[in-house]
Parts: sequence; structure tokens; C-alpha cells
Amino acid sequence: QKEVEQDPGPLSVPEGAIVSLNCTYSNSAFQYFMWYRQYSRKGPELLMYTYSSGNKEDGRFTAQVDKSSKYISLFIRDSQPSDSATYLCATSAAYNFNKFYFGSGTKLNVKP
Amino acid sequence: NAGVTQTPKFQVLKTGQSMTLQCAQDMNHEYMSWYRQDPGMGLRLIHYSVGAGITDQGEVPNGYNVSRSTTEDFPLRLLSAAPSQTSVYFCASSYLGQERGRNYGYTFGSGTRLTVV
Repeated sequence: QKEVEQDPGPLSVPEGAIVSLNCTYSNSAFQYFMWYRQYSRKGPELLMYTYSSGNKEDGRFTAQVDKSSKYISLFIRDSQPSDSATYLCATSAAYNFNKFYFGSGTKLNVKP
Repeated sequence: NAGVTQTPKFQVLKTGQSMTLQCAQDMNHEYMSWYRQDPGMGLRLIHYSVGAGITDQGEVPNGYNVSRSTTEDFPLRLLSAAPSQTSVYFCASSYLGQERGRNYGYTFGSGTRLTVV
């Protein structure tokens, strides 16, 4: 079983829609969570970084962690064509803090 | 502030050849790592380093060597290239530790696209 599972998509939505991207993880010791956005033929760029459970908001983006169900979510409000990219979740544990495990990524297409 | 710089951006190798992928960062990050990204497989950790002189293996280390002589540089060596090493390689860096308030997210380079024929 992979440490982090993520639906590869692709996910296609109309401009302005609310997008929900999700991951599940297997290790209850994971406490640190990241979301990355990767445009085609580019390196991943950090979108959100959260610790433990709860929500974190940054503009149109909200990251949510539910440790009881080992579920990570990224919500994008008022989605734009420029949000079209692959989104990767990642997580790590306190005992090996810098070693993050990545999901395989969900490809999102926002249609004008 | 250039971030993480990877060279070359593209490379074609013949089976059995060796080469070094370069990675340099100017953020004074202690932690550096190499990942490969393949379709459907996501990012897989090859090697990582928590500081100069300290390296360790990741998930898929076979066929690769690393060294860390300075904080800034973390080169990845392919010893004898094989077609299975055709991939996109990313170098990433971050601060080390758990100091409150710091952003410990990885900064990635732009990648090296390697084809082994």
C-alpha cells in the first residue's frame, strides 16, 4: 500500500466552479501536509503548508486536514483556466520531518 | 535569489554512459533531495541529505550516487545509464527541523528531462 493515495483524474470543471481535490494517507503519525501545483513541463511549486488537523486558507485556496479519517483536501474557489495543472499532496511525520511522501497527482482542467 | 537551479534541462544518454545532474540552491537550506517523476508513479525519492557530508538513500537509490560537500550543491550521478532511468529528475531543498513559524515546504528546481537510449 502506498503511503499516500491520490485520484489521478483528470478532473474537468467549468470556469468559476469550486474544485475539491483529495488524498488519503495510511500512517497516523503523519502531521505535516503540503499541496503543490505543477504546470506542464515545470517543477512543482508549493501552494499550501499545514500542520496537524484543521483548515488553512490562502486567497481562493483552502487546505483541510482530517486526521481521524486520514483525509487531506484542497478546495479551489472561483476556479480559473490558469488553475489548470496537476496538484500533488504530500505529508510527513515528526520522527522524519523532512521526508515527505507524495501522492501521484490529480490533473485539473478548468474550461473557459 | 535564484532558488534551486538544475542543469542540464535536457539530456540524452546512451546505455552504459555516466553523467552528473547538477543541483544548486542559494537559500541556505540544510535539507536537499533528488526525486524522479514518472507517469502514474508520482515523485519517488532517490537520495537525500540533511547537511554537508551527510547523505542517505531514499525509495529508489539503485544506479545513483550522491555527495554533499557544500551546503549549496547536491549533484546526482548516474553510474551506468539504463533505459529504466529515463525520467524527469527534480532536485528539492528545504529548511531542516521544526522551528515554529518557519515554512518547511520544499522548493523544487525546474527539472532535468533525461532520456536513455
